[in-house]
Amino acid sequence: EVVLTQSPGTLSLSPGERATLSCRASQSVSNNYLAWYQQKPGQAPRFLISGASIRATGVPDRISGSGSGTDFTLTISRVEPEDFAVYYCQQYGNSPGTFGQGTKVEIK
Amino acid sequence: QLQLQESGPGLVKPSETLSLTCTVSGGSISITSAYWGWVRQFPGKGLEWVGSIYYSGSTYYNPSLESRVTISADTSKNQFSLRLNSVTAADTAVYYCGRVGSSFVPSAAVTSWGQGTLVTVSS
Repeated sequence: EVVLTQSPGTLSLSPGERATLSCRASQSVSNNYLAWYQQKPGQAPRFLISGASIRATGVPDRISGSGSGTDFTLTISRVEPEDFAVYYCQQYGNSPGTFGQGTKVEIK
Repeated sequence: QLQLQESGPGLVKPSETLSLTCTVSGGSISITSAYWGWVRQFPGKGLEWVGSIYYSGSTYYNPSLESRVTISADTSKNQFSLRLNSVTAADTAVYYCGRVGSSFVPSAAVTSWGQGTLVTVSS
């Protein structure tokens, strides 16, 4: 199965700063079928992005996804207070679908 | 607005069967555009695909769980269910049900999630 490695484990930022989160796959993700989720404490994950770069309805445009093959990135151009959370990537191009271990974006 | 709600016992004894139901409101599970699935999150926060079902009854299971898992659907009640046999402490997790945003990739992105239910396996 495809192993997804997210880095860094924790990102300490001040509001207004740029966040760059990495998700690296152990093999190429077919069709760039890569999703991103945001999870806050005590809540279910929230779907953000599919197909590596397609924002879900209601996701602000300061959040964007990019990448292809084995390297994918989630970028938050200017971190807002509501963006502090854990972010997970998931690949679904290769069966079984697998998740990364998460990156925590915390307040500096 | 689509809503999903998990229900079932929060405590299961080792070697017994975990049974959960997901009730869907605000939309029908009998649609051609989506699978309906289960994802679990372990206490250490890792996420794992369990499996999914299409309205036609077609199912997908994570190969690591395939020998122990069954997913079924009751379209008359707009519900789908998960059964996991022979559970151990390693199956302790928050179990989420969700709508999968694809009709041809059964473990695609989960676009809508239930709130999740903690199932603890312990005697």
